[in-house]
Amino acid sequence: DTGVSQDPRHKITKRGQNVTFRCDPISEHNRLYWYRQTLGQGPEFLTYFQNEAQLEKSRLLSDRFSAERPKGSFSTLEIQRTEQGDSAMYLCASSKKRVGPETQYFGPGTRLLVL
Amino acid sequence: KNEVEQSPQNLTAQEGEFITINCSYSVGISALHWLQQHPGGGIVSLFMLSSGKKKHGRLIATINIQEKHSSLHITASHPRDSAVYICAVKGSNYQLIWGAGTKLIIKP
Repeated sequence: DTGVSQDPRHKITKRGQNVTFRCDPISEHNRLYWYRQTLGQGPEFLTYFQNEAQLEKSRLLSDRFSAERPKGSFSTLEIQRTEQGDSAMYLCASSKKRVGPETQYFGPGTRLLVL
Repeated sequence: KNEVEQSPQNLTAQEGEFITINCSYSVGISALHWLQQHPGGGIVSLFMLSSGKKKHGRLIATINIQEKHSSLHITASHPRDSAVYICAVKGSNYQLIWGAGTKLIIKP
């Protein structure tokens, strides 16, 4: 399977704990995106990497959230001191930089529940 | 007013019916995406359009740049088409601006 993968698929944690999610993009894709989706809503953009550089961060990404893509391949999204409002589906997508618009390919998502 | 509006929000139809989902946007775009999200949450890209019309199997997507409107059609709908269909547009930056989605249920 050469699609975008995310790990874990599900995470249940207690409020105040830290969680880390991983995304492995399609291997030749140099762009990687993180989105958050709450129930009944469309995904909201969180952050974007081109290779290892984090080029854009949403205001939604509070200082409790940090994302890295150290070698320009996989990425991690860490949430510190989780709150119940962090419960959501966290989606990762990747694309290949090209002239003109490119298609983003999505992973299956990590569903987070904060108790 | 949201930058991307979809209609209807919910649609229930019988198997075999012709389905149309509409998307209107108010910003300048470089491309429009139609995506499908199944109950488990996974998102699949169906089409990316910058003009005209695209067809893939029973799915057809059209876009009218002047009117800032796109439609997704499903012919001979089937229960396995039941999903949330999302319209998302890409502007001048890297982000996708998402519609709220249309929840489609096809009854056998």
